[in-house]
Amino acid sequence: AQSVSQHNHHVILSEAASLELGCNYSYGGTVNLFWYVQYPGQHLQLLLKYFSGDPLVKGIKGFEAEFIKSKFSFNLRKPSVQWSDTAEYFCAVNYSGKLIFGTGTRLQVFP
Amino acid sequence: DTGVSQDPRHKITKRGQNVTFRCDPISEHNRLYWYRQTLGQGPEFLTYFQNEAQLEKSRLLSDRFSAERPKGSFSTLEIQRTEQGDSAMYLCASSSSRGSSTDTQYFGPGTRLTVL
Repeated sequence: AQSVSQHNHHVILSEAASLELGCNYSYGGTVNLFWYVQYPGQHLQLLLKYFSGDPLVKGIKGFEAEFIKSKFSFNLRKPSVQWSDTAEYFCAVNYSGKLIFGTGTRLQVFP
Repeated sequence: DTGVSQDPRHKITKRGQNVTFRCDPISEHNRLYWYRQTLGQGPEFLTYFQNEAQLEKSRLLSDRFSAERPKGSFSTLEIQRTEQGDSAMYLCASSSSRGSSTDTQYFGPGTRLTVL
């Protein structure tokens, strides 16, 4: 079965620290990859996506992710986090039209 | 607001009762998806429609669950004889296929179901 693994379940950072959240997927074919974010009390929002082309994709709010095919990874990065980045982050892969999600990473940023 | 909307936002019911949720997708989207999310987990796929046709159902979707999208616009998800294990957030998403599988799904706010 296809699966997505997010290694960091809970990350605590101070403002201005750098962020990297890991994501690995099991599907070996052509992949479409996504990161979604859920801010407290809000619904899932698309942060960024990779379909093809440049493996380094940029999203909203200064986030970026790098697709490394050989490592089956799609890690999320941000050079300097803000308190407002406190949220839950989900990695997902599109498999036959449906999304397979990881279990999520809860990020807490302290001022 | 032109996003995905869901109704109701919260539902509390007693075990054994039937419940129905509604989802209105983004107007130009022809695909509609249902997911379920429990605490500490990512959303899990339940079923999806392209126009009015239900194309796939997850094994998670027992016989007590049924979904419809009669006119290819809004969709309903019904759970019959609810059980405490059905307590979860039920999410709806929509997308536009445009003849390709590389579509992007946009999510609604969800319906939180609590079964007592």
